[in-house]
Amino acid sequence: QTVVTQEPSLTVSPGGTVTITCASSTGTVTNDYHTNWFQQKPGQVPRALIYSTSKKHSWTPARISGSLLGGEAALTLSGVQPEDEAEYYCLLFYRGAWVFGGGTKLTVL
Amino acid sequence: EVRLEESGGGLVQPGRSLRLSCKASGFSFGDYVLNWVRQAPGKGLEWVGCIRTDDYGGPTVYAASVRGRFSISRDDSKSIVYLQMDSLKSEDTAMYYCTRDVAWNLGDYWGPGTLVTVSS
Repeated sequence: QTVVTQEPSLTVSPGGTVTITCASSTGTVTNDYHTNWFQQKPGQVPRALIYSTSKKHSWTPARISGSLLGGEAALTLSGVQPEDEAEYYCLLFYRGAWVFGGGTKLTVL
Repeated sequence: EVRLEESGGGLVQPGRSLRLSCKASGFSFGDYVLNWVRQAPGKGLEWVGCIRTDDYGGPTVYAASVRGRFSISRDDSKSIVYLQMDSLKSEDTAMYYCTRDVAWNLGDYWGPGTLVTVSS
């Protein structure tokens, strides 16, 4: 069973840059994993940010980007703003099924 | 406007069954893979399973945690996807969401969710 691992929590200062990573128990994450990233704030439905590793939705802020980094998927937020405080989830596609990461709680402090 | 709306949640006893529905509108329903995702109270997101279009071959795929107990079906004429949940366990207690997927772009639109509580 595939396990997808993210940092449980990260803290960033306003205006700073933070990278959230997403690792798979199956090995190196490649573009074939079609990584999706989501943001979820308390009491809200998840909001899609990134699909197919690095593609942005029309509503995704320019300061948010997706990539592959050191064998893992990565979500980078630059010029972090207070409203970026949220839970972030990655989602990987492997052998015909999707698997979510455990989520990263991002605190802006 | 793309809309997804889940229904059918509620309180159910362990071992019993429940069927959820998700009514879609505002897009070409038959062109999309439909997924169910759940979130237990205070926990993370969990992909439950999906039903594909004819183009992808092999209609349904399930997470290991629900395989053999849950089944997904779709009625393209009504733009509805169903989640049949049998042999329910307390750990199935969660908010259940439906969301669409095309070309590995999953979850651009979500329904508000329907809450399932499994308890005696």
